[in-house]
Amino acid sequence: QITLKESGPTNMKPTQTLTLTCSFSGFSLTTRGVGVGWVRQPPGKALEWLGLIYWNDDKRYSPSLKNRLTFTKDTFKGQVVLTMTNLDPLDTATYYCAHSPPENLYFDFWGQGTLVTVTS
Amino acid sequence: DIQMTQSPSSLSASVGDRVTITCRASQDINTWLAWYQQKPDKVPKSLIYDASTLQKGVPSRFSGSGSGTDFTLTISSLQPEDFATYFCQQYNSYPFSFGQGTKLEIK
Repeated sequence: QITLKESGPTNMKPTQTLTLTCSFSGFSLTTRGVGVGWVRQPPGKALEWLGLIYWNDDKRYSPSLKNRLTFTKDTFKGQVVLTMTNLDPLDTATYYCAHSPPENLYFDFWGQGTLVTVTS
Repeated sequence: DIQMTQSPSSLSASVGDRVTITCRASQDINTWLAWYQQKPDKVPKSLIYDASTLQKGVPSRFSGSGSGTDFTLTISSLQPEDFATYFCQQYNSYPFSFGQGTKLEIK
């Protein structure tokens, strides 16, 4: 059974750096073709694709956030970490991590999400 | 970047109705399209991938079709638990992108 869970701070200030951890089980990020992605959703708004990190450490980022986003993985711990620099109130959103199945690129399993509020 | 446009943005329907939601891509995405359902304050749930393949466990009243730039999600007979917001997503080329969502409400 695949599960994912996001953890990290809920309240941040502008210009700070956000670090979110996605802890997962039921799959390995060493399996060929598997990925873990990040999606965010501002309150009442649509989903926004942030990027993916793959089993082979290939990383893809949203161009609109590329200079501020970094993904890393720890396959032994079963974790993926998102780091986002220079936060702005517009980054207030629920952040989800999700599993991308082998050799496919959509998200079949999602974490519960974590709401991050950026305010001065 | 590929833009995904859903229509309508909102829709009112009754239990038992047949409902169709459309998703249009700004360029050809083959069949690299997924549909998700999201209920209020809940996590998105995968319904369909590769435009027409039903995710395991999803009721057969849901179906997807299309290729290229035009896609549809159809619910053959609405059930009370189907009232939610639906999002399409393309994964043909980076950056992957979502539609703005279609909110399906009870009439």
